[in-house]
Amino acid sequence: AQSVTQPDIHITVSEGASLELRCNYSYGATPYLFWYVQSPGQGLQLLLKYFSGDTLVQGIKGFEAEFKRSQSSFNLRKPSVHWSDAAEYFCAVGAVNYGGSQGNLIFGKGTKLSVKP
Amino acid sequence: GAVVSQHPSWVICKSGTSVKIECRSLDFQATTMFWYRQFPKQSLMLMATSNEGSKATYEQGVEKDKFLINHASLTLSTLTVTSAHPEDSSFYICSASGTEGEQYFGPGTRLTVT
Repeated sequence: AQSVTQPDIHITVSEGASLELRCNYSYGATPYLFWYVQSPGQGLQLLLKYFSGDTLVQGIKGFEAEFKRSQSSFNLRKPSVHWSDAAEYFCAVGAVNYGGSQGNLIFGKGTKLSVKP
Repeated sequence: GAVVSQHPSWVICKSGTSVKIECRSLDFQATTMFWYRQFPKQSLMLMATSNEGSKATYEQGVEKDKFLINHASLTLSTLTVTSAHPEDSSFYICSASGTEGEQYFGPGTRLTVT
């Protein structure tokens, strides 16, 4: 079955510290992987995506993620966290159907990030 | 670019009434839009996939007669919650698919049924 697992429900880091949010997926085909961020009461903003090619992808706001097929992982990282990064982070896996149309996304349960001053 | 709007951002309605939520792609055309529901402190659950000019595809367990979806144009999809009940209170989020398979999300609509 297709699924996404985010093992950490809540993570707290100090401002300026590095961050890694874990994501593992189970998907039958070659996955398309995404990280989204959601601030309280808001919709989701796309941070980055992986379709193919270089397994280390760069996103907005200084985030990056690395696709590791052997580990079925797509962990999100940031070298130095800012207080404004406090939010909920969702990993998602999906498929692009034949012809390039978007299939639905399967979301993990999210990781809440708190940032200590 | 790739902005998706939702209207209203929040709504309170009485039990038994119907509520319509609009989802618009403001600067691009979206043949496919998605409707999600999010309960407090939980992830997004896909309700249905909306394709322009055709019937929506509903996920298992979602009542199609209760959650009416219309995708009349390439920039607008609507979700109507019919005969709303308190258990329908939730955060409803739409998304529109981009050209590279990513999805762009609207800001969400908070529905409270009293």
